Amino acid sequence: KNQVEQSPQSLIILEGKNCTLQCNYTVSPFSNLRWYKQDTGRGPVSLTIMTFSENTKSNGRYTATLDADTKQSSLHITASQLSDSASYICVGRDQFYFGTGTSLTVIP
Amino acid sequence: NAGVTQTPKFQVLKTGQSMTLQCAQDMNHEYMSWYRQDPGMGLRLIHYSVGAGITDQGEVPNGYNVSRSTTEDFPLRLLSAAPSQTSVYFCASSRGTGFGQPQHFGDGTRLSIL
Repeated sequence: KNQVEQSPQSLIILEGKNCTLQCNYTVSPFSNLRWYKQDTGRGPVSLTIMTFSENTKSNGRYTATLDADTKQSSLHITASQLSDSASYICVGRDQFYFGTGTSLTVIP
Repeated sequence: NAGVTQTPKFQVLKTGQSMTLQCAQDMNHEYMSWYRQDPGMGLRLIHYSVGAGITDQGEVPNGYNVSRSTTEDFPLRLLSAAPSQTSVYFCASSRGTGFGQPQHFGDGTRLSIL
């Protein structure tokens, strides 16, 4: 069964700290894996996309990794800011397989 | 640059009523889609369209109809609202067929069915 699972479900960190969000996928065949950020009350916004040949990709303070062998992806956030408080959603094969998201809260 | 615009933002309906959720995009995107987002669940695809005149069902199409008469608009119709359709609905668009392209989402319509 094609699915995407994320952990943790929620996370609270202090401003300025780093954190890592996890995504396990069993989507087959694999085409790509995308991370979205969804602010409260808004629609998701794409952060980055990982294709089969990519291991690491950065977008500012966000770094995504992909391990095709273990079918795991992670999103690492460096030097967190209050504006990073949001839900982060992992999506397999673009529009079809959405994870339930990790709710991140950054506190002062 | 408006992007994807959804109306209304909030709506309360009674069971059995019908209504249309509007979605419009100004980016000339071929691909458009509708999702619902429920607590504890990922976004689930209701219907999608790869171009004007072409629509297809997603994962949870029952109780919903769509049409795509223009590139810009992709309305979602609830035929006879049921409490199980209480949800937040998102419309999205992207270039081409959608594969490999980021989806641009609207800010959602929050729908409650009493």
